[in-house]
Amino acid sequence: SAVISQKPSRDICQRGTSLTIQCQVDSQVTMMFWYRQQPGQSLTLIATANQGSEATYESGFVIDKFPISRPNLTFSTLTVSNMSPEDSSIYLCSVLDDREGKTQYFGPGTRLLVL
Amino acid sequence: GQNIDQPTEMTATEGAIVQINCTYQTSGFNGLFWYQQHAGEAPTFLSYNVLDGLEEKGRFSSFLSRSKGYSYLLLKELQMKDSASYLCAPVDSNYQLIWGAGTKLIIKP
Repeated sequence: SAVISQKPSRDICQRGTSLTIQCQVDSQVTMMFWYRQQPGQSLTLIATANQGSEATYESGFVIDKFPISRPNLTFSTLTVSNMSPEDSSIYLCSVLDDREGKTQYFGPGTRLLVL
Repeated sequence: GQNIDQPTEMTATEGAIVQINCTYQTSGFNGLFWYQQHAGEAPTFLSYNVLDGLEEKGRFSSFLSRSKGYSYLLLKELQMKDSASYLCAPVDSNYQLIWGAGTKLIIKP
């Protein structure tokens, strides 16, 4: 299975600042996703990170708030901009492993607390 | 609309068997995943069913009935480390996983 790493693993940030989360995969993957999971809630898809083009955002998420980069098939970043306490959550990078029947694997997550 | 229904919480005894049920409604269907998620951690893949029937993998088995929009995860010989949330995630016509809140499984000695 694909091995996924995320940096940072956790952070505490001040209101109004921005944080960029990095996601690295050990193999080339077609599809990469960014999810958010607030305490006790289900996973919520933020966007699909597209290589070489703009990300595809889900309803309720916009590029100005969550800019995403995907410069190649093994790396992506998600930025949480102008943070507020409501952005406190776990942010998860996920990839679709085409080698294994399109199973979706998750990175370890980034735990973000906004004060 | 798209909907997933799982029990919010279940309790079972160490060494016993537990079945976690999931019913779903999706626009199109391209299989169903089960994931395990320990508190504060990322989900980990357990199983994927695309055809009707039972898939067995060690202590865990997963069943799918596409006509009934129904799946279950069966856990045998429960261990304390099996205490976690179990997420049923069907795949819709756009190949997107649809996530519910999952079932929190509590294992007691």
